[in-house]
Amino acid sequence: GQQLNQSPQSMFIQEGEDVSMNCTSSSIFNTWLWYKQDPGEGPVLLIALYKAGELTSNGRLTAQFGITRKDSFLNISASIPSDVGIYFCAGHLSAGSYQLTFGKGTKLSVIP
Amino acid sequence: GAGVSQSPRYKVAKRGQDVALRCDPISGHVSLFWYQQALGQGPEFLTYFQNEAQLDKSGLPSDRFFAERPEGSVSTLKIQRTQQEDSAVYLCASSLRGGLEKLFFGSGTQLSVL
Repeated sequence: GQQLNQSPQSMFIQEGEDVSMNCTSSSIFNTWLWYKQDPGEGPVLLIALYKAGELTSNGRLTAQFGITRKDSFLNISASIPSDVGIYFCAGHLSAGSYQLTFGKGTKLSVIP
Repeated sequence: GAGVSQSPRYKVAKRGQDVALRCDPISGHVSLFWYQQALGQGPEFLTYFQNEAQLDKSGLPSDRFFAERPEGSVSTLKIQRTQQEDSAVYLCASSLRGGLEKLFFGSGTQLSVL
């Protein structure tokens, strides 16, 4: 099936630092989504991107839909302890599909 | 409640047992999805319902997996003759219409097959 390559797999940062993670695919996606998952919970949507080149912010989070439609990145500025969790990218392949394809996640640890 | 509710929260089954996992979507949500999340992996699509119609079941890994949503609200995912490789968190999500960008996930059922 389709695969999303998400990197880095994990990262340890100091509180206050900026964070960047990205996702690449061999396929073109219509929509890119970024989710955060806390332990024992389901994923929660952070940002949705619909057009190639689109740059969208949600508070300290900024995400971009790559021009080639095969990649996306997520930046978190001025990290805080509650940013800890696993971040997933997800892509929607085509208008006729009901499936989201998820990356393997980036585990973020924030050192106070 | 306000969110997607899943039960049980944890399920331990002996290999070969049948299990049934329940999902209560947000009231009024037309679309319902099941995903399987193995340890250390992202969720993987299993099946999709629009009201009571199962429009996509291409992600179900074998014919031991069966899902239903008979009245267009509550859904049940049934796994027959469980195997160890079925151990995972099973996530249910719903959305108001079909929009994949507005999925609300439940907390999942963690299934352990011994």
